[in-house]
Amino acid sequence: GAVVSQHPSWVICKSGTSVKIECRSLDFQATTMFWYRQFPKQSLMLMATSNEGSKATYEQGVEKDKFLINHASLTLSTLTVTSAHPEDSSFYICSATRQGAIRYEQYFGPGTRLTVT
Amino acid sequence: QKEVEQDPGPLSVPEGAIVSLNCTYSNSAFQYFMWYRQYSRKGPELLMYTYSSGNKEDGRFTAQVDKSSKYISLFIRDSQPSDSATYLCAMSSTGNQFYFGTGTSLTVIP
Repeated sequence: GAVVSQHPSWVICKSGTSVKIECRSLDFQATTMFWYRQFPKQSLMLMATSNEGSKATYEQGVEKDKFLINHASLTLSTLTVTSAHPEDSSFYICSATRQGAIRYEQYFGPGTRLTVT
Repeated sequence: QKEVEQDPGPLSVPEGAIVSLNCTYSNSAFQYFMWYRQYSRKGPELLMYTYSSGNKEDGRFTAQVDKSSKYISLFIRDSQPSDSATYLCAMSSTGNQFYFGTGTSLTVIP
C-alpha cells in the first residue's frame, strides 16, 4: 500500500509553453501533498504544500503564478509549469501523506523529468 | 549555514562491508529524523525514521541520533549491490516541514 504515481515520467516542451504534471495516491487518501524539485546532485527543495480543497502554500522564492498547483481531490494534485523556460528544467517529485498517518510518513512519487528546450 | 549538511560522496565499498552515512544539522528544534533511499531517476523511499535521540534498528539498517552533537547516522550491515543508491537524510521540528540533505551516493561493488 501507499503508492504514489506521477504522470508523465518524462516530458520535453518548448520554451513558452505550459506543462501539467499529475500526482496521484493510488491506494490511499492523501490529505496533504508536497511538490519538490531536485537538481542534479542537489537536495530536494520543497516548492509548495497542497491540501485538498484549499490553496497551496508556496515556499519563499517560488512563484505561485508560474507553478500552479491544484489539489482537487484526496487522490490527485497537479502542478502546472506555465510559460516554461530552460531554467525550469528539473526533476519534479511529489509526495503525499496518508490521511490519519503521522506527517513524517511521506510517500514519494517516482518523479517527472522536465526538459525545456 | 545550511540547515542540514551531508557529504555527497561518492562512497564506494565492497560487498559485505559496513557502510556509515552521516548528516549534521544546525537547528536544535529538529526532533524527527528520517533516512530515504533514492534510486536513479526514482522518487525517494522512506527507510528509517527516529523520533528524538537514540537508536533504531530494522534488519541490516541502524539509525542513530545524537541530538547533543546534532549528528545522525545510518549504518548498513552486510552491504549488497542492491543497496547502491543515493541516501538522503531529512529532519523536521514539527513534522510539517522537512529539511533534506543533499544525499550521499553509495556504490556497493560485488
